Amino acid sequence: SQKIEQNSEALNIQEGKTATLTCNYTNYSPAYLQWYRQDPGRGPVFLLLIRENEKEKRKERLKVTFDTTLKQSLFHITASQPADSATYLCALEEGNQGGKLIFGQGTELSVKP
Amino acid sequence: ETGVTQSPTHLIKTRGQQVTLRCSSQSGHNTVSWYQQALGQGPQFIFQYYREEENGRGNFPPRFSGLQFPNYSSELNVNALELDDSALYLCASSSGGSHSETQYFGPGTRLLVL
Repeated sequence: SQKIEQNSEALNIQEGKTATLTCNYTNYSPAYLQWYRQDPGRGPVFLLLIRENEKEKRKERLKVTFDTTLKQSLFHITASQPADSATYLCALEEGNQGGKLIFGQGTELSVKP
Repeated sequence: ETGVTQSPTHLIKTRGQQVTLRCSSQSGHNTVSWYQQALGQGPQFIFQYYREEENGRGNFPPRFSGLQFPNYSSELNVNALELDDSALYLCASSSGGSHSETQYFGPGTRLLVL
């Protein structure tokens, strides 16, 4: 079955810098990949969806890339702010079963002022 | 805010007991998916309900069961609770069943089994 790996170590960066988070998957390439943000004790919040035929997608300070050859997605936050501190989860659908998402374990991002 | 609500917010049970968790989906959505999230892990898919029928199930035993009502709200029932069932239970609302893409999560129910 599909496995997703995200950096398990927390990422600590200085305010104003660009944060880059990595998501690697092991098997077939999914039709799309999603990124969610989760704050402590709360449910994940959808950020961006990128499809297999899209190389890059942007939304305000967020940018996602999707490389189906490397089986990897990168998630960038430019001009990071302390309010961006959270856990970021990568998710994709299981075996073309739409609606059944497999999540990575998440990467905790801490932005220091 | 996603418009997805869950109740209760917190719950403490003892091993062997049964629990029912509730979820109200976002207006216009006909699909509810349930996930279990252990501390420090990503959410794990339990099952999905689409138009009142189970529409896919993850690797969870039969003591995890669910229901969806005509208004598309949903319940998750867990029988014979075990210590490992302690987790954050999330419901996610979407539309289109197996064609669902983006899911909108509720705040979760934190379950502690002693």
